[in-house]
Amino acid sequence: GQNIDQPTEMTATEGAIVQINCTYQTSGFNGLFWYQQHAGEAPTFLSYNVLDGLEEKGRFSSFLSRSKGYSYLLLKELQMKDSASYLCAVKGTGGFKTIFGAGTRLFVKA
Amino acid sequence: GAGVSQSPRYKVTKRGQDVALRCDPISGHVSLYWYRQALGQGPEFLTYFNYEAQQDKSGLPNDRFSAERPEGSISTLTIQRTEQRDSAMYRCASSKGQGAGYEQYFGPGTRLTVT
Repeated sequence: GQNIDQPTEMTATEGAIVQINCTYQTSGFNGLFWYQQHAGEAPTFLSYNVLDGLEEKGRFSSFLSRSKGYSYLLLKELQMKDSASYLCAVKGTGGFKTIFGAGTRLFVKA
Repeated sequence: GAGVSQSPRYKVTKRGQDVALRCDPISGHVSLYWYRQALGQGPEFLTYFNYEAQQDKSGLPNDRFSAERPEGSISTLTIQRTEQRDSAMYRCASSKGQGAGYEQYFGPGTRLTVT
């Protein structure tokens, strides 16, 4: 079967660092994506990992371990506008079908 | 184009009616995806097109659901004989290419309510 697990909710303080974990079991692997989705809006792309290791992009970093079926999204210097859902998504074999996790709702408090 | 557009943005229909949802992808994007998203959940894959070819329709729930993209640009998702359980947000996404690394750009969605 195919399964992606993420925590349902997290709370963090403005200015802090938060790590959102994602574990996956999918039939085939062609890359892992993180998307951000604000309430009532469409998901927007944050990062892509296909090889093991860390990808850094400004305040956001994403890590992948293919052998462990594990990824995390690291958000630094949190801002109130980072309050959103963060979706982990895996592209399976063939590069077409993308499986999304249920998302992690992040609340940033002052 | 500016971004992915979808119409209508909201659709209320009676049970048993057919509905057609339209997606206009970003100009030049060859790949097009349809998803269904329930409140508080991630997008659920329905189907995928590469140009006009429907290459994966494994996520379509049953044969009441169909999709087409006849000229490799605009796509239509059709639901026949709608049921209340079809009520959801239907999202379309497009990407530049077919390869694994291409990010998807999502449209604003069509909120379908079946009464």
